[in-house]
Amino acid sequence: DSGVTQTPKHLITATGQRVTLRCSPRSGDLSVYWYQQSLDQGLQFLIQYYNGEERAKGNILERFSAQQFPDLHSELNLSSLELGDSALYFCASSVGAQAANTGELFFGEGSRLTVL
Amino acid sequence: EDKVVQSPLSLVVHEGDTVTLNCSYEVTNFRSLLWYKQEKKAPTFLFMLTSSGIEKKSGRLSSILDKKELFSILNITATQTGDSAVYLCAVVRTYGQNFVFGPGTRLSVLP
Repeated sequence: DSGVTQTPKHLITATGQRVTLRCSPRSGDLSVYWYQQSLDQGLQFLIQYYNGEERAKGNILERFSAQQFPDLHSELNLSSLELGDSALYFCASSVGAQAANTGELFFGEGSRLTVL
Repeated sequence: EDKVVQSPLSLVVHEGDTVTLNCSYEVTNFRSLLWYKQEKKAPTFLFMLTSSGIEKKSGRLSSILDKKELFSILNITATQTGDSAVYLCAVVRTYGQNFVFGPGTRLSVLP
C-alpha cells in the first residue's frame, strides 16, 4: 500500500458525460501528479500540482482539468467524454516539487474509466 | 519529440531463467532514468540511474545506464513467478517536472 488513495476504482459512463476522479496523496506529500495509461500506451503525464498550484503540464486535453485543494487532495475532471478517453488514470504523489530528485513517485491503485 | 522505447514489449520465460529488459531514449535535457515495476495496478519504484556505467543492484535485480548510447538495461536473474509484471522505464528531464514513460515490457514467468 503506497498510501495514495484514489476513488472511484472503476467508473463506467457514456460519451458526452463528465466525471470527476479524486486522489488523496500520502500524508506529508505536497505534490500530486496525474497520469493516463491506455491499453497500448505507456503512462502519459497529464499534470502536476505542488501545494495547491499547478507546477507542470503535459499532454492534458482542454476537455480535462484538475485542481489541488488546501487539504492537498486533488481532483481530475474529464468532460465531454469520448470513447478514446477510456483508460486507467493514476494519481501519484511525492514529498517535494521535484520527485525527480529521488525517483520516488508513489502511485495510487488507479481509477479505471470506461466510456461506452 | 522526446521518446522512450522499451524492448521486448512482451516476454515469457520459465522460473530460473535470466532476463534482460531494454530501454532506449531520445530525450532533451536528460537528468535521470528510472525503472518501475507494475504488477496489478500501481507502479512501484525499483531504481534510479543518473551516471553511466554504475550498476545499481537490489537482490536479483540489477540495472545499468549508458548515457553515450542512450540506453539502459534491467537484468533479473533466477526469475520467480513473483517477478511477473510490467516493467516500466521512465526518463526525467532536467527542465520540466514530468517523467517520460516507455510502453513497458510485460514479463511472464511460468513455473
